[in-house]
Amino acid sequence: QITLKESGPTLVKPTQTLTLTCTFSGFSLSTNALGVGWIRQPPGKALEWLALIYWNDYKRYSPSLESRLTITKDTSKNEVVLIMTNMDPVDTATYYCAHKDFRSGYDWFGPWGQGTLVTVSS
Amino acid sequence: DIQMTQSPSSLSASVGDRVTITCRTSRSVSTYLNWYQQQPGKAPKVLIYAASTLQSGVPSRFSGSGSGTDFTLTITSLQPEDFATYYCQQGYSAPWTFGQGTKVEI
Repeated sequence: QITLKESGPTLVKPTQTLTLTCTFSGFSLSTNALGVGWIRQPPGKALEWLALIYWNDYKRYSPSLESRLTITKDTSKNEVVLIMTNMDPVDTATYYCAHKDFRSGYDWFGPWGQGTLVTVSS
Repeated sequence: DIQMTQSPSSLSASVGDRVTITCRTSRSVSTYLNWYQQQPGKAPKVLIYAASTLQSGVPSRFSGSGSGTDFTLTITSLQPEDFATYYCQQGYSAPWTFGQGTKVEI
């Protein structure tokens, strides 16, 4: 059974750097064609994909946020970390991590973690 | 980026109704189109992938169709647990993009 869980601060100040950790079980990120992505959702708004890291350490970022994002993995710990710099109140959102499996040729985000609400406020 | 347009943004329906949600992409995504359901306070879960393939465990009252730029999610005989927000997402190319969501309300 695949499970994921996000952890990190619930409150950050404007201009600070956010570090979120996704801890997962039920799969290894050293397995071919697997990935873990981050998606966020501002309160009452739609989902927005942020970043994804592949099993081979290849990384993809949302072009609109790429300059502020860094995604890394620690395969031995089954963790993926997302760093977002220069936080702003508009970054207030629930941040989700999700599993992605590319092996079938079709892929989707899932399962997802429960999400963690991050509020940006002074 | 591939833009996603869902319609309607919200709809009111009753238990037993047939509901149709549409998703249009700004360019062809072939059948690389997924549908998610998000219940209040919960993470999204995939219902349909590859435009029309039902994810394991998803009730058969859900179905998807379409290819290219126009897609449909249909729920036949709406059940109380189906009142939620539904999102389409293109899996054709990064950046992976989601629709703005359709809230299905009583």
